[in-house]
Amino acid sequence: GAGVSQSPSNKVTEKGKDVELRCDPISGHTALYWYRQRLGQGLEFLIYFQGNSAPDKSGLPSDRFSAERTGESVSTLTIQRTQQEDSAVYLCASSLIGGPYEQYFGPGTRLTVT
Amino acid sequence: QKEVEQDPGPLSVPEGAIVSLNCTYSNSAFQYFMWYRQYSRKGPELLMYTYSSGNKEDGRFTAQVDKSSKYISLFIRDSQPSDSATYLCAPTTGGGADGLTFGKGTHLIIQP
Repeated sequence: GAGVSQSPSNKVTEKGKDVELRCDPISGHTALYWYRQRLGQGLEFLIYFQGNSAPDKSGLPSDRFSAERTGESVSTLTIQRTQQEDSAVYLCASSLIGGPYEQYFGPGTRLTVT
Repeated sequence: QKEVEQDPGPLSVPEGAIVSLNCTYSNSAFQYFMWYRQYSRKGPELLMYTYSSGNKEDGRFTAQVDKSSKYISLFIRDSQPSDSATYLCAPTTGGGADGLTFGKGTHLIIQP
């Protein structure tokens, strides 16, 4: 079956512009996670959705970041007024239920802010 | 001290060697210990995970956790060139809302 997909695969944007990153989880997976991977750094957990609810948004780096999820499907991560430090690979993962259970990762969106 | 420490490498070994990859962590609340493999420009894929202290074997891979010393290991036997990748340890408390706390990863190179 289809895995987690993310779009776009690459995005180059100018500083100050808004970007929207999309994640399509595996069908039936209720839990969805967003991570950020900066060059030379480990993956940084951003936010978790159980269904369309995100109980804790404190992992988002700043108030320029927001995330939504429609039901138990598509999620979007929006970054407003992008800054150069936002350049990173943004990874999405999904799992059947929340917890340490197997998280399946998408290929990521490589964001470059110029 | 970072929550999860991992030597970034690169670690280069000849094909067929036994590889030892290690992490240390500081949060005593971690209960599950995941190992992910990440090929260049790909998302991480879960290799295996263990719960609490002890060993777990899966084919050529063995994961080992010592909670008393907060030390995590992954051993790869009969290493193959296809094992060349970055290996990420990711301990977690077990609550989905906590996400995973990843180490920086160790870049492993298996020389044919």
